[in-house]
Amino acid sequence: KAGVTQTPRYLIKTRGQQVTLSCSPISGHRSVSWYQQTPGQGLQFLFEYFSETQRNKGNFPGRFSGRQFSNSRSEMNVSTLELGDSALYLCASSLTPLLGGPGDQPQHFGDGTRLSIL
Amino acid sequence: SQQGEEDPQALSIQEGENATMNCSYKTSINNLQWYRQNSGRGLVHLILIRSNEREKHSGRLRVTLDTSKKSSSLLITASRAADTASYFCATDANGNNRLAFGKGNQVVVIP
Repeated sequence: KAGVTQTPRYLIKTRGQQVTLSCSPISGHRSVSWYQQTPGQGLQFLFEYFSETQRNKGNFPGRFSGRQFSNSRSEMNVSTLELGDSALYLCASSLTPLLGGPGDQPQHFGDGTRLSIL
Repeated sequence: SQQGEEDPQALSIQEGENATMNCSYKTSINNLQWYRQNSGRGLVHLILIRSNEREKHSGRLRVTLDTSKKSSSLLITASRAADTASYFCATDANGNNRLAFGKGNQVVVIP
């Protein structure tokens, strides 16, 4: 079974631009979560999608948005990029979110997209 | 506040030795998970332990959970160079349908 696939692996943008990152979950997984990882803040939850609906959102500005398609693939978009958006963006999938959410089962992570803002 | 804070932050050991790292959290949880991250890669799930469990094993890994102290430990026995990685604990913070990760422990195993 193929793992979680994130594209692109590396991306360089300049301030003010926008970017779209893609995540293909493990086949059959319907829940997709996104995280931002930086040396200073560590891993921070961005949002979770299930059945094309955003179930939960972290404490990020509205410049960060996402969506999920009917085949469970997900994209996240960051508009008006800032230097502080430089980070590793990780996507994780799981079969389904249970009542307690993603904490109830293992999350399967992709290798991330390394975004650098110049 | 972020749940899950590992201690110590960095650990350097010789191959064959055991490595122990701890994680504390602030509020009640349903589950606690441990993940490993190799440099430049994504996280790999190691173990999930539920709040009604006290200990769990998986191969050379042993996880304990003490809900009265709000802490967990991960023990890697007979470490190998391939165990060199960062290790994170994560909790379901107050059932908010999200995972809250700690800052991570960097473990270096010297061959």
